[in-house]
Amino acid sequence: EIVLTQSPGTLSLSPGERATLSCRASQSVSSSYLAWYQQKPGQAPRLLIYGASSRATGIPDRFSGSGSGTDFTLTISRLEPEDFAVYYCQQYGSSPRGFGQGTKVEIK
Amino acid sequence: QVQLVQSGAEVKKPGASVKVSCKVSGYTLTELSMHWVRQAPGKGLEWMGGFDPEDGETIYAQKFQGRVTMTEDTSTDTAYMELSSLRSEDTAVYYCATGLGVRAFDIWGQGTMVTVSS
Repeated sequence: EIVLTQSPGTLSLSPGERATLSCRASQSVSSSYLAWYQQKPGQAPRLLIYGASSRATGIPDRFSGSGSGTDFTLTISRLEPEDFAVYYCQQYGSSPRGFGQGTKVEIK
Repeated sequence: QVQLVQSGAEVKKPGASVKVSCKVSGYTLTELSMHWVRQAPGKGLEWMGGFDPEDGETIYAQKFQGRVTMTEDTSTDTAYMELSSLRSEDTAVYYCATGLGVRAFDIWGQGTMVTVSS
């Protein structure tokens, strides 16, 4: 079973700043089957990035994903007010398709 | 476009079972690989299981083995997740989710709150 560890747990930033979120896997993620989701309170998660670096439909280009193997990063180039939320990574290359524990991006 | 509409909130007693439905519109269920994810209050996302097209079978997370059953009714394009022997720790929002053209989950249901309380 691949275990995903996200860091930091909470990121306190101001609008306009750059956010860098990390997701580390306990084993290599096959074919870079790594996704990032955004979740706001009371809402279902929304897919941002799949295949480690491909943006999902309708996702602004300020969101970018990178990495391979065991180390992955989600970058938000300039935070907009609507970007303050919780972010989860997920590997879907093998079962179980586990999630990381989440990173909360909060307003400083 | 694909939409997933889930059944309404449930309140169950410990030891009971719950069956949550997820109705697909815009596509047929046979074109999709449906998965189920849950989220306890204030906690993270937890994958419960789903259909693996490479294996051609439904895979369950080990934690739920023996307690969860995921089924599909292709005549109504409705997926079901049944969880038995409920305990208070099963109180959570349960989501169905699938991918359209991607293996990640780009389509989610609205969630179904299941409360387990005596």
